[in-house]
Amino acid sequence: GQQVMQIPQYQHVQEGEDFTTYCNSSTTLSNIQWYKQRPGGHPVFLIQLVKSGEVKKQKRLTFQFGEAKKNSSLHITATQTTDVGTYFCAGITNDYKLSFGAGTTVTVRA
Amino acid sequence: DAGVIQSPRHEVTEMGQEVTLRCKPISGHDYLFWYRQTMMRGLELLIYFNNNVPIDDSGMPEDRFSAKMPNASFSTLKIQPSEPRDSAVYFCASSLGASGSPLHFGNGTRLTVT
Repeated sequence: GQQVMQIPQYQHVQEGEDFTTYCNSSTTLSNIQWYKQRPGGHPVFLIQLVKSGEVKKQKRLTFQFGEAKKNSSLHITATQTTDVGTYFCAGITNDYKLSFGAGTTVTVRA
Repeated sequence: DAGVIQSPRHEVTEMGQEVTLRCKPISGHDYLFWYRQTMMRGLELLIYFNNNVPIDDSGMPEDRFSAKMPNASFSTLKIQPSEPRDSAVYFCASSLGASGSPLHFGNGTRLTVT
C-alpha cells in the first residue's frame, strides 16, 4: 500500500536557524497536506499543495511539492520557539486515500 | 464554529472494560474520521464515514473495535473488551467534501487501559 515517509524524525534547532523536513511517497500523489501538532495538542491544518512544482509560503514557512508529485518539503527560516511541535505531511492518492507521515518533531534551543 | 468536539478528554479504565468515545463533527461536514495516535505507530486511520455511512474500516485493529454514526452530528468509537495495548490518543476529525479537503481534528481522547 501507499506509504508516506518523513525525515528527519527529530529536528533540534538553534533559535534563529533554518531547517527543512522532507516527505516522500512511494506513489504519485494527487495532493499533499501539511499539519502542525503542538505538544499535547491536536493536528492543525497548515496548507495544501496540488500542482506539480507548486511553492507556497506562510510567513517564515515555505512549502514545496515536487515535480513528480511524489515528494514535498517544508522549510522554516529563522526558527522561533513558537515553531516547536510535530509537523506532519499527509499524502492523498486519487482514490482519496490519505496517508500521514510519521512526523518531524521540532525542538528549539533558545 | 465550535470545532470538532470529542468526549471524554481522558479515560482511564481497567482491562476488559468497555470504552466508548464520542465525537461531534463540525456542522455541515460530510466526512468523519477516527484516528489513533501512539508514539510507536504515529497517526493511524481507523475508519471513516461519508454522509454517515462507513466507507473504509480497514484500519480497525480487530473485532473489539466498532464505530457508528447514527446521524450527521454524532459518532462513537467503542472498544469492547479493552486491552492495555489500546492505550493511545484517539482523534476524531471531520471535513467538508472529498479528496483534498482539510481535516479538522478534535482535541482527542487520551485512553489509558490498565
